[in-house]
Amino acid sequence: QVQLKESGPVLVQASETLSLTCTVSGFSLTNYGVIWVRQPPGKGLEWMGIIWRNGNTDYNSALKSRLSINRDTSKSQVFLKMNSLQTDDTAIYYCTVGVTYWGQGVMVTVSS
Amino acid sequence: DVVLTQTPPTLSATIGQSVSISCRSSQSLLHSNGNTYLHWLLQRPGQSPQLLIYSVSRLESGVPNRFSGSGSGTDFTLKISGVEAEDLGVYYCVQGTHAPWTFGGGTKLELK
Repeated sequence: QVQLKESGPVLVQASETLSLTCTVSGFSLTNYGVIWVRQPPGKGLEWMGIIWRNGNTDYNSALKSRLSINRDTSKSQVFLKMNSLQTDDTAIYYCTVGVTYWGQGVMVTVSS
Repeated sequence: DVVLTQTPPTLSATIGQSVSISCRSSQSLLHSNGNTYLHWLLQRPGQSPQLLIYSVSRLESGVPNRFSGSGSGTDFTLKISGVEAEDLGVYYCVQGTHAPWTFGGGTKLELK
């Protein structure tokens, strides 16, 4: 069955770079795109970006200058990198396939 | 970017009551391919979001048929015909017609 799991550091210092990995199983990254979504504590969902099945990417306009999404299809992994972190980047970060299948999320705290 | 406006922000209901949530888009969500990529999610407390309805009115597998979706263009509605306790949480609409995808602000369904 389709599964996604996010992994990465739970605590990051302000101004540093966040690196997260989404490891998927049950499907090929060349057949489906993977989306990153985040949710600050007590707030709503924010679409961050997508890596399409052909490897192309689209990003949230507000994050585009700081965000990159890449993948390793041989390892079934999708990578998120976001630089110049601030405290308001503190959030649960999710990866999802078509908003149908979701990972459990990883809570990332940005410390000043 | 497309803005999705959900109303009401909070909804109080009794068990068995029927309720509706509105999602209005700043642009038509009709894609050039003829599909409308407007979906509804439920996020229960402490859980990842769950897909309920996709493409306006199509019920995701395993979702009870008390959930239904309707609408077109810029106006969409999610209806729950007979709220049950397990339906409590925050509902989000999300559009995938225009890049970047965007989420509505959410509607919290609580018990009266």
